[in-house]
Amino acid sequence: AQSVTQPDIHITVSEGASLELRCNYSYGATPYLFWYVQSPGQGLQLLLKYFSGDTLVQGIKGFEAEFKRSQSSFNLRKPSVHWSDAAEYFCAVGYSGTYKYIFGTGTRLKVLA
Amino acid sequence: NAGVTQTPKFQVLKTGQSMTLQCAQDMNHNSMYWYRQDPGMGLRLIYYSASEGTTDKGEVPNGYNVSRLNKREFSLRLESAAPSQTSVYFCASSEAGGQGAPDTQYFGPGTRLTVL
Repeated sequence: AQSVTQPDIHITVSEGASLELRCNYSYGATPYLFWYVQSPGQGLQLLLKYFSGDTLVQGIKGFEAEFKRSQSSFNLRKPSVHWSDAAEYFCAVGYSGTYKYIFGTGTRLKVLA
Repeated sequence: NAGVTQTPKFQVLKTGQSMTLQCAQDMNHNSMYWYRQDPGMGLRLIYYSASEGTTDKGEVPNGYNVSRLNKREFSLRLESAAPSQTSVYFCASSEAGGQGAPDTQYFGPGTRLTVL
């Protein structure tokens, strides 16, 4: 069965530190990959997506993610975290012909001043 | 341009009561989705509508029904609410890509439902 794993439930970093959030998917076909962010009490907003081409994709708010087929991973990174980045982050994976995708369980980011 | 709107924002029901959650989008998207969000479980797809006139079950459809009223509106109905349906419900829409390729989903603000 298709699945998405975000192994870190909570991550705490200091403001200005670098960040990497992990995402792994289980299915072998070429995936459509997404990262979303959810601020408290809000809906989800797209940070970035990967369909094909260059495996390093840039998103909004200074985030980037790298697709590594050999590791079935799509990790999210930011070189320097800001206090406003505190939120919950969701990875999602979809496949052609399905119109939908599966979300990971999320990683809650806390930023220390 | 309001994007995706959901009503109501909050609702408290007693076990066995029914209600309909409303969702509308003004982006002319073909696909619409209903999710529930529970702590530690991420978002789970309840039902989706790939295009006007079609609906399909997602991961957790039991206890729910949906109606794609027109291209703009997609409602979710709980016929007999149960405490296990206490959750935050999100509607989303998407201009799904060619050959059914999933694309960016735009989310509403959510409905917080408590079933006593």
